[in-house]
Amino acid sequence: AQSVTQLDSHVSVSEGTPVLLRCNYSSSYSPSLFWYVQHPNKGLQLLLKYTSAATLVKGINGFEAEFKKSETSFHLTKPSAHMSDAAEYFCVVSPYSSASKIIFGSGTRLSIRP
Amino acid sequence: EPEVTQTPSHQVTQMGQEVILRCVPISNHLYFYWYRQILGQKVEFLVSFYNNEISEKSEIFDDQFSVERPDGSNFTLKIRSTKLEDSAMYFCASSEGMTPRQREQYFGPGTRLTVT
Repeated sequence: AQSVTQLDSHVSVSEGTPVLLRCNYSSSYSPSLFWYVQHPNKGLQLLLKYTSAATLVKGINGFEAEFKKSETSFHLTKPSAHMSDAAEYFCVVSPYSSASKIIFGSGTRLSIRP
Repeated sequence: EPEVTQTPSHQVTQMGQEVILRCVPISNHLYFYWYRQILGQKVEFLVSFYNNEISEKSEIFDDQFSVERPDGSNFTLKIRSTKLEDSAMYFCASSEGMTPRQREQYFGPGTRLTVT
């Protein structure tokens, strides 16, 4: 069965320092992978997606993620954190076996220290 | 930019009552979804809908749930007899199609359902 594991429930970084949010996936086939962000009282917004093209994917707001098949990872990074990045981040897999549903990780809450 | 909208933003209901959660997907999208997130837990898939019928549903989506596209714009989730454990944030989403480029799901802001 396909799944994603977000290794950290909470990450706290200082403004201006790098961000790393970790995600590992489990899939029998090459999956489609996504990162979504949820700001307080807002809907889920797509940050970036991997659909078997380039392994390094660039998203909005300076975020990027690298698909590493050998490590079954899809970690989200940003070189320099901004206060507005404080939010909940979800790693998501779209299973090959499913025509429609997507499977969410448990989420990582990112806090930014001034 | 087109967006998915949901109403109401917060619904409070008594146990045993019926509720209808409403969503307006993006206008040229063909696939529609409902997800829920119980407080402190993962976002869980409930159901997907295409061409006026359910295409996939999870174990959570039992007989007390139903979905409908009553007109050309709305997509609704009905819970017939609410239970305390139905309290959650319910998200609606839509996508353009099923190719890799079209599979991106756009989410609404959610409806917080509180069952008392």
